[in-house]
Amino acid sequence: DAKTTQPNSMESNEEEPVHLPCNHSTISGTDYIHWYRQLPSQGPEYVIHGLTSNVNNRMASLAIAEDRKSSTLILHRATLRDAAVYYCILRDMGNYQLIWGAGTKLIIKP
Amino acid sequence: DSGVTQTPKHLITATGQRVTLRCSPRSGDLSVYWYQQSLDQGLQFLIQYYNGEERAKGNILERFSAQQFPDLHSELNLSSLELGDSALYFCASSRSFNEQFFGPGTRLTVL
Repeated sequence: DAKTTQPNSMESNEEEPVHLPCNHSTISGTDYIHWYRQLPSQGPEYVIHGLTSNVNNRMASLAIAEDRKSSTLILHRATLRDAAVYYCILRDMGNYQLIWGAGTKLIIKP
Repeated sequence: DSGVTQTPKHLITATGQRVTLRCSPRSGDLSVYWYQQSLDQGLQFLIQYYNGEERAKGNILERFSAQQFPDLHSELNLSSLELGDSALYFCASSRSFNEQFFGPGTRLTVL
């Protein structure tokens, strides 16, 4: 299974944009890039996913490098409620399985 | 609220015992997944069921088993429990490849 590498933790100020990086140098052509987050004492929740093109939804944006070896999750205006562990996950096309890494703990400072 | 329910929320038991965790997926979701999350760790995929059939297996111990019933709810059975089985157990459901919806989890403590 292809692996992802993320920083252990990041800090950001409230109401500022946050860029969460993820490296996936061994990604294959059929791997989707998924992001989930886990708020304290809760189950994970889906954030966004993409294959090749950048993606936007109401929660975040996903910027995928042209060679697909890295991606960045962008929270446009972080709030205290965005403090969570963010997981970058690769999923093979046609496969439901998600293989989770350690994630990035995002700390939001008021 | 994801629409996925898990019972019980907390479970405290002794080593050597057997427990059953229950999961009700979102209405219409055919896939159910089980994950284990030990303290301050990422999630470990255990097993997936799709419409009653086992679809994929991850790092599930032989002491653990699961099934999905005709009404699509699922149960995870953990037997001969050890201290190291203490963890959060999450159930998730989905109807597509794109998004899994997670329940609130069951916290298992083995004493």
